[in-house]
Amino acid sequence: DVKVTQSSRYLVKRTGEKVFLECVQDMDHENMFWYRQDPGLGLRLIYFSYDVKMKEKGDIPEGYSVSREKKERFSLILESASTNQTSMYLCASSPPSGITDTQYFGPGTRLTVL
Amino acid sequence: SQKIEQNSEALNIQEGKTATLTCNYTNYSPAYLQWYRQDPGRGPVFLLLIRENEKEKRKERLKVTFDTTLKQSLFHITASQPADSATYLCALGPGGGNKLTFGTGTQLKVEL
Repeated sequence: DVKVTQSSRYLVKRTGEKVFLECVQDMDHENMFWYRQDPGLGLRLIYFSYDVKMKEKGDIPEGYSVSREKKERFSLILESASTNQTSMYLCASSPPSGITDTQYFGPGTRLTVL
Repeated sequence: SQKIEQNSEALNIQEGKTATLTCNYTNYSPAYLQWYRQDPGRGPVFLLLIRENEKEKRKERLKVTFDTTLKQSLFHITASQPADSATYLCALGPGGGNKLTFGTGTQLKVEL
């Protein structure tokens, strides 16, 4: 079974703090994704990566950055957390396009910024 | 711009009945459409994928249809059970880099 793990289930941070969210997958997938999920807005793509050290902006990259130094690990960074970044953050991974198009999600990190 | 619409109102049905959820899209020509299930506080879990050249797909009690003319997919759960209660998301793809575009989901509640 594919397993995607996220470093924390719940996180509380203060405005202005630098926040790191870690995601690890164990299926040697090339593609990894970071989403945030808010009521009424659904899943919105922040960043994705299709290879080590490669990254692409998603639909809402402002205020976020990412790092992919190893194939299995994809980190989301909030440089200076703000209250409007309070949300559920979901990481996902998938094999290369053309093999299967399924995304496998982690359990999510519920981040609260005070 | 691309738009995916799922009924934002919760769907309440009785146990044993067939639940039908709708996913409509505009300004998009997807090669495939996927359905995911999401339980509260958890990540989505993949259920079914249907490609543009397929009309219907089945998996156990689940059935998905895909009408590219109507730009609509229907997701059916037959003989529904309380354990089927969850939010169901549709997703269209691919975008570049195997991206998916997700709908906002419909909450299904199956009552005894």
